[in-house]
Amino acid sequence: EVQLQESGPGLVKPSQSLSLTCSVTGYSITSNYWGWIRKFPGNKMEWMGYISYSGSTSYNPSLKSRISITRDTSKNQFFLQLNSVTTEDTATYYCARYYYDGYYRDWGQGVMVTVSS
Amino acid sequence: DVVMTQTPLSLPISLGDQASFSCRSSQSLLHSNGNTYLAWYLQKSGLSPQILIYRISNRFSGVPDRFSGSGSGTDFTLKISRVEPEDLGVYYCLQHTHLPNTFGAGTKLELK
Repeated sequence: EVQLQESGPGLVKPSQSLSLTCSVTGYSITSNYWGWIRKFPGNKMEWMGYISYSGSTSYNPSLKSRISITRDTSKNQFFLQLNSVTTEDTATYYCARYYYDGYYRDWGQGVMVTVSS
Repeated sequence: DVVMTQTPLSLPISLGDQASFSCRSSQSLLHSNGNTYLAWYLQKSGLSPQILIYRISNRFSGVPDRFSGSGSGTDFTLKISRVEPEDLGVYYCLQHTHLPNTFGAGTKLELK
């Protein structure tokens, strides 16, 4: 069974960086694609980006140069860094596994991050 | 970016009724490989989203057959033949054909 678990601080100050870890068990991150998705207060969802089995990345242009997704294959973890956060980055952040057939099959439980001074 | 328009935003319903959700995209979701990567997800209160339907009409493993997906190009529909209590929550369409992937605004299925 594939399991994903997000971890990271629940509170970040404006202008600082948000850093989250997704720990994966039951499947190697050197296969498939691994994404970050966030849900804002209310119902709006946003795809942030992914890292592939080879380590290549794709990001949502809306996040411009603020986002970076990296990985540590030895720990089977991948990471999200979002720089220069504002209150508009307050959201629940999910990591998820993208299945080759065209959908996010496995999701973490999500971590709520609040940006506030 | 591809804009995904979901309607309605709220769907009050009685248990046992049929529910229908609409999702329209601002451009065709037909991929050059011949597949259409339109998926439906359900997010129940307090839980992570879960996949229901992928590539327009394929039910994910374990999804009851009362759920069905249809459509093509830019116009897609999810139907529940007879709503049960565990079906309540917010339904999202998500297109995976184009980058960035984009979500609809969600339709909240709730009891009348």
